[in-house]
Amino acid sequence: DTAVSQTPKYLVTQMGNDKSIKCEQNLGHDTMYWYKQDSKKFLKIMFSYNNKELIINETVPNRFSPKSPDKAHLNLHINSLELGDSAVYFCASSLRRGALGVEAFFGQGTRLTVV
Amino acid sequence: GENVGLHLPTLSVQEGDNSIINCAYSNSASDYFIWYKQESGKGPQFIIDIRSNMDKRQGQRVTVLLNKTVKHLSLQIAATQPGDSAVYFCAENNNFNKFYFGSGTKLNVKP
Repeated sequence: DTAVSQTPKYLVTQMGNDKSIKCEQNLGHDTMYWYKQDSKKFLKIMFSYNNKELIINETVPNRFSPKSPDKAHLNLHINSLELGDSAVYFCASSLRRGALGVEAFFGQGTRLTVV
Repeated sequence: GENVGLHLPTLSVQEGDNSIINCAYSNSASDYFIWYKQESGKGPQFIIDIRSNMDKRQGQRVTVLLNKTVKHLSLQIAATQPGDSAVYFCAENNNFNKFYFGSGTKLNVKP
């Protein structure tokens, strides 16, 4: 069983479109994250939720909106996609907030390409 | 905060040799550090961590060294194997909820 699963794995879309990436964890963790990895492999946190409550909201355009219907799911919706949004987006979860060490797991990533 | 960087973007080693991957950080308030391994097409995977009250921590074939004086972190991999080929990241934590990642070093293991 996959601990943290993201869908889709690949997403190619045109500029201006709206798209969503879904993430689910079956670990019973309280905290979930979205990270963006650029072409140089640099990972940067975007959002974090703890028990459905937003606890981290980094400097991210408001075209990006996370939604956590329950603590096992954290989805990322992106409006009006731009070329610069092309990246790999990683979902992660950790047992507790701030515990991004051995207790944390990352999904396999969603490669978003905006054309 | 975000000034975590790696000295060598690419490192090539022969199978069986030891590998050393370096990381510099700028925030002296950081008190927890993690090394991650990312294989192609996969998400980062935890390798080993160290708290700022320690200088060295050992795992299975891996050792992390922390030099707080010069704000330097290194990951040593003993007897490097082809399966160790990946991108390695260090991450620092100086805020309860936030971790800042370096840009990664690619390790190539030659058979």
